[in-house]
Amino acid sequence: EVQLVESGGGLVKPGGSLRLSCAASGFTFSSYSMNWVRQAPGKGLEWVSSISSSSSYIYYADSVKGRFTISRDNAKNSLYLQMNSLRAEDTAVYYCLKSGYGSYYFDYWGQGTLVTVSS
Amino acid sequence: EIVLTQSPGTLSLSPGERATLSCRASQSVSSSYLAWYQQKPGQAPRLLIYGASSRATGIPDRFSGSGSGTDFTLTISRLEPEDFAVYYCQQYGDSPWTFGQGTKVEIK
Repeated sequence: EVQLVESGGGLVKPGGSLRLSCAASGFTFSSYSMNWVRQAPGKGLEWVSSISSSSSYIYYADSVKGRFTISRDNAKNSLYLQMNSLRAEDTAVYYCLKSGYGSYYFDYWGQGTLVTVSS
Repeated sequence: EIVLTQSPGTLSLSPGERATLSCRASQSVSSSYLAWYQQKPGQAPRLLIYGASSRATGIPDRFSGSGSGTDFTLTISRLEPEDFAVYYCQQYGDSPWTFGQGTKVEIK
């Protein structure tokens, strides 16, 4: 059974930093691209970042480019999102997602971790 | 960036009725790389359809997807009580991957 468990969310002040982690199990982690998508309270879904299986290809939404860094550790079956210079508009539930094989649709989702940026 | 516009914003239907949801892209979606997701309150979204028309694992056959180019449709042939939720389309043909704003299917 595929499981994705996010951690690291919480309350942070504007301008602060936070590192999200996602522990993956139930599939060959090193064979799949991974992703982060966020959802602000009461709003729709916003893609944040994607990383290919070997970290060769990395993509970011313009809204987070230069502030967020996605990474992965295939030996630890883990995905990360380093978030710097956080803004109020970054407040959202952040989901860790597994991609379909060789593609960027999202076939498994974690339950999400809430990030709140507020003074 | 490809903008996806979903319509209608809200669909009010009764159980047993047919639901037709639309997703229109601002430019052609490469290779029909279009997916549909269902989200219920307090839950993470769930993949329903990928490649415009392929059902994901475990998805009932009352859910079907169609379309190509800029116009895509999700059809639920007969609504079950558990199908009342918000539905999102997503294109993954060109970065940045983008989502539609969602269609809420509510009980009439």
